[in-house]
Amino acid sequence: ETGVTQTPRHLVMGMTNKKSLKCEQHLGHNAMYWYKQSAKKPLELMFVYSLEERVENNSVPSRFSPECPNSSHLFLHLHTLQPEDSALYLCASSQDSGLAGAQQYFGPGTRLTVT
Amino acid sequence: QKEVEQDPGPLSVPEGAIVSLNCTYSNSAFQYFMWYRQYSRKGPELLMYTYSSGNKEDGRFTAQVDKSSKYISLFIRDSQPSDSATYLCAMSAGSGGSNYKLTFGKGTLLTVNP
Repeated sequence: ETGVTQTPRHLVMGMTNKKSLKCEQHLGHNAMYWYKQSAKKPLELMFVYSLEERVENNSVPSRFSPECPNSSHLFLHLHTLQPEDSALYLCASSQDSGLAGAQQYFGPGTRLTVT
Repeated sequence: QKEVEQDPGPLSVPEGAIVSLNCTYSNSAFQYFMWYRQYSRKGPELLMYTYSSGNKEDGRFTAQVDKSSKYISLFIRDSQPSDSATYLCAMSAGSGGSNYKLTFGKGTLLTVNP
């Protein structure tokens, strides 16, 4: 595997389900990110981890819970989601969150549909 | 006024044309400017990365930044059908060690017709 991988690629869940999205980066980077991409809207930064510490939480509802067990893996735990949470969820990584933070490399995304 | 404005298109050109994609911005603190290409059902791919004003060329792609006008451009020469994608501009102020805070445009959908 190379670059940034995400699983699953597609997910359909009901509003009462609990599911998790997984991201893995094979680039040796130290910073990882979760973004939300909705139709007709710019990418929205959700969470930032640097050296496994959360450094940013952009007023994201608590029904989204991130976890970063090590610098290569990032999870997004989902529970009691709303239909408006349906979107493409993208993971990204960068060498660090400082000077190299602007050069981010994205995974293919998980297309989430909440029914 | 939105921080970053990008015409969503769609933009349709014949193969071989020169394509010009643009973004304007309002935050004069932006110093780092990126262009991403996103194919349908894929994640964004970093195409060009520039710092401050000036030009940067990479193969058929040229990125231009004019900070005085708060305007950035991506030119694609000899466009190919494989260039058909959504192009996203992104910017960062890079202050306080938080270069990761990117502000994205909404993207321009480009189709290159054979």
